[in-house]
Amino acid sequence: DADVTQTPRNRITKTGKRIMLECSQTKGHDRMYWYRQDPGLGLQLIYYSFDVKDINKGEISDGYSVSRQAQAKFSLSLESAIPNQTALYFCATSDSSAGLDTQYFGPGTRLTVL
Amino acid sequence: DQQVKQNSPSLSVQEGRISILNCDYTNSMFDYFLWYKKYPAEGPTFLISISSIKDKNEDGRFTVFLNKSAKHLSLHIVPSQPGDSAVYFCAASRLAYTDKLIFGTGTRLQVFP
Repeated sequence: DADVTQTPRNRITKTGKRIMLECSQTKGHDRMYWYRQDPGLGLQLIYYSFDVKDINKGEISDGYSVSRQAQAKFSLSLESAIPNQTALYFCATSDSSAGLDTQYFGPGTRLTVL
Repeated sequence: DQQVKQNSPSLSVQEGRISILNCDYTNSMFDYFLWYKKYPAEGPTFLISISSIKDKNEDGRFTVFLNKSAKHLSLHIVPSQPGDSAVYFCAASRLAYTDKLIFGTGTRLQVFP
């Protein structure tokens, strides 16, 4: 089984709809991240969480919110989806006790907003 | 402003030859650099890293070189194999903040027989 899973893997929605992307991990890592990737661009950090009670904004947090329901779960919400949020979304985890913490990525969610 | 740049969007190399992927950065505070590899329909996977106290780090067929004065790093793959065909992302951070990675735009490597 994959260590970092994302659901759904693909989603098509309409402008104005609320949508939630979910991420679960079995790696036991304390840190979790949400990124988006647009065509021809690198990954951009949306939000990150160092533990259950810690939430931080990344480079492009506007239009998004997150919830860290448990150490193993980190969800990303689009309150009112718009077409320029069409992108590939990745969840990642890392272990702060590992020194130079390497981030481990999930398989991604392809979101299309019509 | 793109702090980490991969100016070659694609690279095509024959199997068995060397692949060289380049990355430039602008922020002199960066002191930790990573390469990630991404196959279609999968998330990026960590490949190799280097901190600024070194100028070279090697792991099997993969070697990363860092030129701090030029703010440039490169990934060498020798010999290249068809299974290396993927998108490669360079990323940078500060050692004290390795959770905050800044990614480049990626280079698509194709290794042909």
